[in-house]
Amino acid sequence: AQSVTQLDSHVSVSEGTPVLLRCNYSSSYSPSLFWYVQHPNKGLQLLLKYTSAATLVKGINGFEAEFKKSETSFHLTKPSAHMSDAAEYFCVVTPMKTSYDKVIFGPGTSLSVIP
Amino acid sequence: KAGVTQTPRYLIKTRGQQVTLSCSPISGHRSVSWYQQTPGQGLQFLFEYFSETQRNKGNFPGRFSGRQFSNSRSEMNVSTLELGDSALYLCASSLWDSHSGANVLTFGAGSRLTVL
Repeated sequence: AQSVTQLDSHVSVSEGTPVLLRCNYSSSYSPSLFWYVQHPNKGLQLLLKYTSAATLVKGINGFEAEFKKSETSFHLTKPSAHMSDAAEYFCVVTPMKTSYDKVIFGPGTSLSVIP
Repeated sequence: KAGVTQTPRYLIKTRGQQVTLSCSPISGHRSVSWYQQTPGQGLQFLFEYFSETQRNKGNFPGRFSGRQFSNSRSEMNVSTLELGDSALYLCASSLWDSHSGANVLTFGAGSRLTVL
């Protein structure tokens, strides 16, 4: 079975300060892990993905995430928050090596950026 | 290349009516999945189609149905609408990457359904 936990439902940071959005997963299989971002009334946009290559994954807009198998975590970070980063962020897990299982979404973390 | 296109973007219906939403996937993508997003329940998986066959289904009542055509375009239908069906309905298409072993979803902008 698979599950995703996003430890914070809401995170608030000041512009220019680091961002940390936490994600823990549970998977019976080797997982593929993703972070998506959703701006108000928009669809989800892929930020980055982990698919068993490098454990430190770089994405768009300066975001990166590190896959830590021992901690079953895939936290999303950014060194310096920008106002445009204010959005909802979803951590997603799918089992690797199969295209047949459902994609599991975390509940989301709402990021606010204070000027 | 063109992204995932969902139509209509916004629609308003009344209780008891039915609605059909359309999703055109990225060219070459054979898998299309549908999600319902509401403030209270978050993102919930509805169903997934691959090569015109429903491959996975979420926990929704039979009023929610879908289909996929030979060109991979997909439609979902909700009959006998209820107030609680008001939501953003998101469609995603994907292409299985056998090299990386990953199934990467690309989402459309969504169809915002309001039921009055």
